Amino acid sequence: GAGVSQSPSNKVTEKGKDVELRCDPISGHTALYWYRQSLGQGLEFLIYFQGNSAPDKSGLPSDRFSAERTGGSVSTLTIQRTQQEDSAVYLCASSLGGTNPDTQYFGPGTRLTVL
Amino acid sequence: DQQVKQNSPSLSVQEGRISILNCDYTNSMFDYFLWYKKYPAEGPTFLISISSIKDKNEDGRFTVFLNKSAKHLSLHIVPSQPGDSAVYFCAASAANTGNQFYFGTGTSLTVIP
Repeated sequence: GAGVSQSPSNKVTEKGKDVELRCDPISGHTALYWYRQSLGQGLEFLIYFQGNSAPDKSGLPSDRFSAERTGGSVSTLTIQRTQQEDSAVYLCASSLGGTNPDTQYFGPGTRLTVL
Repeated sequence: DQQVKQNSPSLSVQEGRISILNCDYTNSMFDYFLWYKKYPAEGPTFLISISSIKDKNEDGRFTVFLNKSAKHLSLHIVPSQPGDSAVYFCAASAANTGNQFYFGTGTSLTVIP
């Protein structure tokens, strides 16, 4: 079956521009996560959506970062006024949600480069 | 504050030998642990997991061991194969933190043919 997909796979932007990254989770998965991995670092949690509940935004590094999940499916991560330190691979994952334990399945990531 | 730590950034092993990847955690409330494997330009893929009620879980060549008193888990791959060369991440979660997962920084495994 189809896994988690992300688009674009690569994005190069200039400092100060806004970018939108898209994630299509596995059908039927109610939980969706965004992470980023900077060079030489581990996976940094950004935001978590579970069904219709308010998202857990505790990992967002600044108010320039926001995310939406429309219709409980597709999610968009928006970074406003990008900075060079935003350069990273942004990973989306989904899981069935509502179960413990739960297992996340990752998309291929979007590599963001801010010049 | 890194709650899950992988202190070895890289590991090289001869083909056919055992690979042992280690992971330490600080939060005693963690009750579910996972290992993911990541190839370049791909997202991490789930490999194996273990619940805190167990101390070992085996799946083919992969075995995860959990030592709760030491807050330590390890992944054993035996025999190691060149296709196992990848970055391995451990992750942990706790029932009281919902489904938020905490990841280590990864260990890059190279299996030498």
